[in-house]
Amino acid sequence: GAGVSQSPSNKVTEKGKDVELRCDPISGHTALYWYRQRLGQGLEFLIYFQGNSAPDKSGLPSDRFSAERTGESVSTLTIQRTQQEDSAVYLCASSSTGFRNTQYFGPGTRLTVL
Amino acid sequence: GDSVTQMEGPVTLSEEAFLTINCTYTATGYPSLFWYVQYPGEGLQLLLKATKADDKGSNKGFEATYRKETTSFHLEKGSVQVSDSAVYFCALSVGGGADGLTFGKGTHLIIQP
Repeated sequence: GAGVSQSPSNKVTEKGKDVELRCDPISGHTALYWYRQRLGQGLEFLIYFQGNSAPDKSGLPSDRFSAERTGESVSTLTIQRTQQEDSAVYLCASSSTGFRNTQYFGPGTRLTVL
Repeated sequence: GDSVTQMEGPVTLSEEAFLTINCTYTATGYPSLFWYVQYPGEGLQLLLKATKADDKGSNKGFEATYRKETTSFHLEKGSVQVSDSAVYFCALSVGGGADGLTFGKGTHLIIQP
Protein backbone atom coordinates (compact mmCIF):
# COMPACT_ATOMS: atom_id res chain seq x y z
CA GLY A 1 0.00 0.00 0.00
CA ALA A 2 0.94 3.67 -0.20
CA GLY A 3 1.42 4.09 3.52
CA VAL A 4 0.69 2.70 6.95
CA SER A 5 -3.02 2.50 7.63
CA GLN A 6 -4.82 2.13 10.94
CA SER A 7 -8.37 1.41 11.93
CA PRO A 8 -10.56 2.62 13.41
CA SER A 9 -9.53 6.26 13.30
CA ASN A 10 -11.58 6.95 16.43
CA LYS A 11 -12.84 4.62 19.14
CA VAL A 12 -14.98 5.52 22.12
CA THR A 13 -15.52 2.81 24.69
CA GLU A 14 -16.72 2.36 28.22
CA LYS A 15 -14.40 1.60 31.10
CA GLY A 16 -13.90 -2.13 31.48
CA LYS A 17 -14.53 -3.05 27.84
CA ASP A 18 -11.94 -4.65 25.58
CA VAL A 19 -10.77 -2.90 22.39
CA GLU A 20 -8.84 -4.02 19.32
CA LEU A 21 -6.83 -1.65 17.17
CA ARG A 22 -5.56 -2.63 13.74
CA CYS A 23 -2.47 -1.67 11.77
CA ASP A 24 -1.61 -2.43 8.13
CA PRO A 25 2.09 -1.71 7.52
CA ILE A 26 3.74 -0.69 4.28
CA SER A 27 4.11 -3.73 2.04
CA GLY A 28 7.57 -5.27 2.36
CA HIS A 29 8.37 -3.69 5.72
CA THR A 30 9.54 -6.37 8.11
CA ALA A 31 9.51 -4.24 11.25
CA LEU A 32 6.34 -2.95 12.94
CA TYR A 33 6.02 -0.79 16.03
CA TRP A 34 3.22 0.43 18.30
CA TYR A 35 3.43 3.69 20.24
CA ARG A 36 1.07 5.60 22.52
CA GLN A 37 0.70 9.38 22.62
CA ARG A 38 -1.18 10.72 25.62
CA LEU A 39 -2.45 14.27 25.59
CA GLY A 40 0.36 16.79 26.07
CA GLN A 41 3.03 14.10 26.25
CA GLY A 42 5.57 12.57 23.95
CA LEU A 43 5.28 9.19 22.31
CA GLU A 44 5.82 6.07 24.37
CA PHE A 45 7.12 2.92 22.73
CA LEU A 46 4.88 -0.10 23.39
CA ILE A 47 5.96 -3.10 21.31
CA TYR A 48 8.13 -4.03 18.31
CA PHE A 49 7.83 -6.91 15.84
CA GLN A 50 10.70 -7.92 13.55
CA GLY A 51 10.00 -10.71 11.08
CA ASN A 52 9.41 -13.99 12.86
CA SER A 53 11.44 -13.09 15.94
CA ALA A 54 9.83 -12.87 19.35
CA PRO A 55 8.46 -9.35 19.80
CA ASP A 56 10.08 -6.78 22.07
CA LYS A 57 7.31 -6.18 24.60
CA SER A 58 9.39 -4.07 26.94
CA GLY A 59 7.18 -1.00 26.56
CA LEU A 60 3.81 -2.55 27.32
CA PRO A 61 2.48 -0.71 30.41
CA SER A 62 0.53 -3.63 31.91
CA ASP A 63 -0.63 -7.18 31.21
CA ARG A 64 -3.93 -5.74 29.94
CA PHE A 65 -2.05 -4.80 26.76
CA SER A 66 -1.13 -7.39 24.14
CA ALA A 67 -0.35 -7.41 20.44
CA GLU A 68 -0.12 -9.90 17.62
CA ARG A 69 1.24 -9.81 14.13
CA THR A 70 0.42 -12.21 11.31
CA GLY A 71 3.65 -12.94 9.48
CA GLU A 72 4.93 -9.66 8.10
CA SER A 73 1.55 -8.06 7.63
CA VAL A 74 -1.34 -6.93 9.79
CA SER A 75 -0.98 -6.32 13.51
CA THR A 76 -3.62 -5.90 16.19
CA LEU A 77 -3.15 -4.22 19.55
CA THR A 78 -5.62 -5.39 22.18
CA ILE A 79 -6.38 -3.58 25.41
CA GLN A 80 -8.43 -5.57 27.89
CA ARG A 81 -10.58 -4.08 30.64
CA THR A 82 -9.87 -0.54 29.47
CA GLN A 83 -9.25 2.21 32.02
CA GLN A 84 -9.59 5.97 31.62
CA GLU A 85 -5.81 6.38 31.66
CA ASP A 86 -5.67 4.29 28.47
CA SER A 87 -7.22 7.22 26.58
CA ALA A 88 -4.61 8.27 24.03
CA VAL A 89 -3.72 8.22 20.35
CA TYR A 90 -2.22 4.85 19.42
CA LEU A 91 0.26 5.05 16.57
CA CYS A 92 1.63 2.28 14.42
CA ALA A 93 4.82 2.54 12.39
CA SER A 94 6.69 0.25 10.02
CA SER A 95 10.19 0.19 8.57
CA SER A 96 12.66 -1.92 6.68
CA THR A 97 14.96 -4.08 8.80
CA GLY A 98 17.43 -2.17 10.93
CA PHE A 99 17.15 0.41 13.66
CA ARG A 100 18.80 3.10 11.55
CA ASN A 101 15.98 2.98 9.01
CA THR A 102 13.17 5.50 8.95
CA GLN A 103 9.96 4.50 10.66
CA TYR A 104 6.82 5.51 8.74
CA PHE A 105 3.85 6.31 10.91
CA GLY A 106 0.17 5.74 10.38
CA PRO A 107 -2.49 8.36 11.17
CA GLY A 108 -3.26 6.81 14.54
CA THR A 109 -6.34 5.62 16.40
CA ARG A 110 -7.74 8.04 18.96
CA LEU A 111 -9.07 5.98 21.88
CA THR A 112 -11.37 7.57 24.42
CA VAL A 113 -12.36 5.57 27.49
CA LEU A 114 -15.39 6.98 29.28
CA GLY B 1 17.79 3.87 30.36
CA ASP B 2 17.77 5.80 27.13
CA SER B 3 16.23 9.26 27.17
CA VAL B 4 15.79 12.39 25.07
CA THR B 5 15.45 15.89 26.48
CA GLN B 6 14.25 18.75 24.34
CA MET B 7 13.25 22.30 25.10
CA GLU B 8 9.68 22.70 26.24
CA GLY B 9 7.36 24.89 24.27
CA PRO B 10 5.54 26.62 22.99
CA VAL B 11 8.21 28.50 21.12
CA THR B 12 6.84 31.56 19.36
CA LEU B 13 8.84 33.31 16.64
CA SER B 14 8.21 35.85 13.94
CA GLU B 15 8.44 34.86 10.29
CA GLU B 16 12.03 34.87 8.93
CA ALA B 17 13.53 34.50 12.40
CA PHE B 18 16.34 32.02 13.14
CA LEU B 19 15.21 28.83 14.86
CA THR B 20 17.04 26.55 17.25
CA ILE B 21 15.34 23.72 19.13
CA ASN B 22 17.72 22.04 21.53
CA CYS B 23 17.86 18.27 21.92
CA THR B 24 20.20 16.24 24.10
CA TYR B 25 20.20 12.52 24.70
CA THR B 26 21.39 9.74 26.96
CA ALA B 27 21.87 6.34 25.36
CA THR B 28 23.61 3.04 25.81
CA GLY B 29 25.44 2.12 22.67
CA TYR B 30 25.62 4.17 19.51
CA PRO B 31 22.21 5.59 18.65
CA SER B 32 20.72 6.88 15.44
CA LEU B 33 19.10 10.29 15.88
CA PHE B 34 15.92 11.62 14.31
CA TRP B 35 13.71 14.69 14.15
CA TYR B 36 10.04 14.01 13.47
CA VAL B 37 7.40 16.68 12.81
CA GLN B 38 3.66 16.69 13.34
CA TYR B 39 1.83 19.41 11.41
CA PRO B 40 -1.65 20.43 12.61
CA GLY B 41 -4.16 17.74 11.76
CA GLU B 42 -1.56 15.47 10.18
CA GLY B 43 0.37 12.37 11.15
CA LEU B 44 3.93 12.12 12.38
CA GLN B 45 6.53 12.27 9.64
CA LEU B 46 10.31 12.14 9.50
CA LEU B 47 11.98 15.52 9.04
CA LEU B 48 15.63 14.44 9.06
CA LYS B 49 18.02 11.94 10.60
CA ALA B 50 21.69 11.20 11.27
CA THR B 51 23.18 7.79 11.92
CA LYS B 52 26.75 8.52 12.99
CA ALA B 53 28.80 11.17 14.71
CA ASP B 54 29.34 14.45 12.82
CA ASP B 55 26.68 13.54 10.25
CA LYS B 56 24.39 16.41 9.32
CA GLY B 57 20.80 15.66 8.47
CA SER B 58 18.93 18.23 6.39
CA ASN B 59 15.51 18.68 4.84
CA LYS B 60 13.19 21.59 3.96
CA GLY B 61 15.82 24.10 5.12
CA PHE B 62 16.17 22.43 8.54
CA GLU B 63 19.50 21.02 9.70
CA ALA B 64 20.78 19.06 12.68
CA THR B 65 24.28 17.75 13.37
CA TYR B 66 24.99 14.59 15.40
CA ARG B 67 27.39 15.74 18.15
CA LYS B 68 28.67 12.74 20.07
CA GLU B 69 30.92 14.78 22.34
CA THR B 70 28.01 16.86 23.63
CA THR B 71 25.33 14.15 23.08
CA SER B 72 23.23 16.68 21.19
CA PHE B 73 21.20 16.94 17.98
CA HIS B 74 19.91 20.50 17.89
CA LEU B 75 17.48 21.46 15.13
CA GLU B 76 18.13 24.72 13.26
CA LYS B 77 16.60 26.72 10.45
CA GLY B 78 17.85 30.03 9.18
CA SER B 79 14.53 31.64 8.26
CA VAL B 80 11.27 30.14 9.47
CA GLN B 81 7.92 30.42 7.72
CA VAL B 82 4.36 30.33 9.02
CA SER B 83 4.02 26.90 7.42
CA ASP B 84 6.73 25.57 9.80
CA SER B 85 4.28 25.85 12.69
CA ALA B 86 4.06 22.32 14.09
CA VAL B 87 5.18 20.07 16.94
CA TYR B 88 8.76 18.82 16.60
CA PHE B 89 9.98 15.62 18.26
CA CYS B 90 13.59 14.58 18.76
CA ALA B 91 14.08 10.81 18.95
CA LEU B 92 16.73 8.11 19.10
CA SER B 93 17.04 4.41 18.42
CA VAL B 94 19.83 2.16 19.71
CA GLY B 95 19.08 -1.13 18.01
CA GLY B 96 20.41 -4.38 19.40
CA GLY B 97 16.87 -5.76 19.32
CA ALA B 98 15.50 -2.65 21.06
CA ASP B 99 14.65 -0.84 17.87
CA GLY B 100 11.74 1.22 19.15
CA LEU B 101 12.22 4.97 19.11
CA THR B 102 12.68 6.90 22.34
CA PHE B 103 11.06 10.31 21.92
CA GLY B 104 11.41 13.64 23.61
CA LYS B 105 8.22 15.31 24.81
CA GLY B 106 7.94 17.51 21.74
CA THR B 107 8.30 21.24 21.13
CA HIS B 108 5.34 23.20 19.85
CA LEU B 109 6.57 25.85 17.40
CA ILE B 110 4.35 28.78 16.50
CA ILE B 111 5.43 31.14 13.71
CA GLN B 112 3.63 34.46 13.54
CA PRO B 113 3.40 36.45 10.29
